[in-house]
Amino acid sequence: EVQLVESGGGLVQPGRSLRLSCAASGFIFDDCAMHWVRQVPGKGLEWVSSITWNSASTSYSDSVMGRFTISRDNAKNSLHLQMNSLRVEDTAFYYCAKDLFRTITMGVDHWGQGTLVTVSS
Amino acid sequence: QSALTQPRSVSGSPGQSVTISCTGISTLLGASDYVSWYQQYPGKAPKLLIYDVTKRPSGVPDRFSGSKSGSTAFLTISGLQAEDEADYYCCSYAGRYTWMFGGGTKLTVL
Repeated sequence: EVQLVESGGGLVQPGRSLRLSCAASGFIFDDCAMHWVRQVPGKGLEWVSSITWNSASTSYSDSVMGRFTISRDNAKNSLHLQMNSLRVEDTAFYYCAKDLFRTITMGVDHWGQGTLVTVSS
Repeated sequence: QSALTQPRSVSGSPGQSVTISCTGISTLLGASDYVSWYQQYPGKAPKLLIYDVTKRPSGVPDRFSGSKSGSTAFLTISGLQAEDEADYYCCSYAGRYTWMFGGGTKLTVL
């Protein structure tokens, strides 16, 4: 069974940093691109960042470019999102998600349950 | 990044068909091949219904189908059931290695 378990969310002040992690199991991790997608409670989905199976290519939304960094450790079946210079508008549930393919297609066939990041003073 | 536009809401009666549109799909060469659709219940993670415009993952009923015409993609749900009442999101390539979701459509089964 595919499992994606996020951790690292919480309450943080504006301008501070937070590192999210996602522990993956139940599939061949380095066969899949991975993503972070966020959602403000009661609002729509927002794509945040993606990484190919071998980390050769990463991409970011304009809203997080230069502040967030996605990375993966295929040896540890883990995905990370380093979030710096956090803003109030970054407050959301952050989902770790798995692509069907090694390249980024946004055919996301499995999602974690999400971890809540709250940016507030 | 331009926006993907979906109707805020659609409705239908059990047994009927409904179609949800998603306008603003990139027409860049190859980019329009990447359209996916998701179903989300309140408080739950999204579920993949359609990928690569028309493909269905295993386990998704064939009542769900995807198509595209020009810069608009469509999700059609046939034989509507009460359990189909949920939010639906499209997703597509937006250019410059970025992706975007539509604003979401709330489906009400009357």
